[in-house]
Amino acid sequence: ILNVEQSPQSLHVQEGDSTNFTCSFPSSNFYALHWYRWETAKSPEALFVMTLNGDEKKKGRISATLNTKEGYSYLYIKGSQPEDSATYLCAFSGSARQLTFGSGTQLTVLP
Amino acid sequence: EAGVAQSPRYKIIEKRQSVAFWCNPISGHATLYWYQQILGQGPKLLIQFQNNGVVDDSQLPKDRFSAERLKGVDSTLKIQPAKLEDSAVYLCASSLVTGSNQPQHFGDGTRLSIL
Repeated sequence: ILNVEQSPQSLHVQEGDSTNFTCSFPSSNFYALHWYRWETAKSPEALFVMTLNGDEKKKGRISATLNTKEGYSYLYIKGSQPEDSATYLCAFSGSARQLTFGSGTQLTVLP
Repeated sequence: EAGVAQSPRYKIIEKRQSVAFWCNPISGHATLYWYQQILGQGPKLLIQFQNNGVVDDSQLPKDRFSAERLKGVDSTLKIQPAKLEDSAVYLCASSLVTGSNQPQHFGDGTRLSIL
């Protein structure tokens, strides 16, 4: 059973604050790491797919880094806005190629 | 482009009853996935189709769950009979091709409550 851990489980920040979350995954048999954003009553939305150690990806105020040797990825949000409130899910893909999801980090941005 | 369509959005049934969910993936997407997301946990893959063939159904409880994708487009997921622990959100996703470096596109999900 693959272990994909996300921390923190939940997070409250003030509008304008920057924040980051962690995704830990197995460091062996790495193939890809996905990040998704899931807003309440909507469908999960793909943010990033990362495949190379040292990858850094950016989409607007959101960015992510990847360290496959130590098995972690960070997601950063700069200048959080209320519309960033959502659950952020990471998913690991190893040799089996299927996605194993973490439990998510629930972010609430207070106006 | 139209997204992944799922129905119904919500379903409430009693234990031991049957239920079916429907999914229409993005046009042209060969790969279709069904996930189960129990409250407080991440989505868990139940079954993956490549066109109308099953790629992986290792986590599908086959004594009560079944799924099909007969013409390689729409798919249905059925539970018969339902148990209390089946209460969850059932998500359908699709991707252009199989390969975990491809982002998956999700539907809004069906929230199932078992009484």
